[in-house]
Amino acid sequence: QVQLQESGPGLVKPSQTLSLTCTVSGGSISSGSYYWSWIRQPAGKGLEWIGRIYTSGSTNYNPSLKSRVTISVDTSKNQFSLKLSSVTAADTAVYYCARATVRGNWFDPWGQGTLVTVSS
Amino acid sequence: DIQMTQSPSSVSASVGDRVTITCQASQGISSWLAWYQQKPGKAPKLLIYAASSLQSGVPSRFSGSGSGTDFTLTISSLQPEDFATYYCQQANSFPYSFGQGTKLEIK
Repeated sequence: QVQLQESGPGLVKPSQTLSLTCTVSGGSISSGSYYWSWIRQPAGKGLEWIGRIYTSGSTNYNPSLKSRVTISVDTSKNQFSLKLSSVTAADTAVYYCARATVRGNWFDPWGQGTLVTVSS
Repeated sequence: DIQMTQSPSSVSASVGDRVTITCQASQGISSWLAWYQQKPGKAPKLLIYAASSLQSGVPSRFSGSGSGTDFTLTISSLQPEDFATYYCQQANSFPYSFGQGTKLEIK
């Protein structure tokens, strides 16, 4: 059974870059059947899709964040990563990684989520 | 971008009740819709995909219907563990987007 686990700093200073990694266990990230996504949720609010990556390295980003987002994959470590630059308090949220099938684009499973707070 | 609007934003119901949540897309998305359940402090869990297909392991009291712009999630007989927040998600086009959520509370 595939499991995803987010990791990274829980506190980032304004204007700096948020960096998170999602480690995939119980399956290979190199499987051609899946996309790997990042999704975030500010406290008490709804869900926002940030972007996704395919095993080949091909990416798609939410236009609202595209200028600040980079998603990359490291197949040797079975991980994919998120970098969000020039963060502000508005980027404070729980960040989730999730898998979606190439045929469906719905997310399952999800990681447990990690809270990132942007504050000086 | 496609906007997803859920109604109601919150609903109170009792164990055993039948509950329906609706989701409307700002443009047609065929059957490219999923429903998720989220409990406090937990990640969302996929319940329904392709508008009406039940995810493996999800109880059969959950069902989904609709296509185009209008969709519904129905819980046929509420159980105590069903009290949570529910989200719809369109998977038709970028950027993928979610409804604002419907909080299902105990009456």
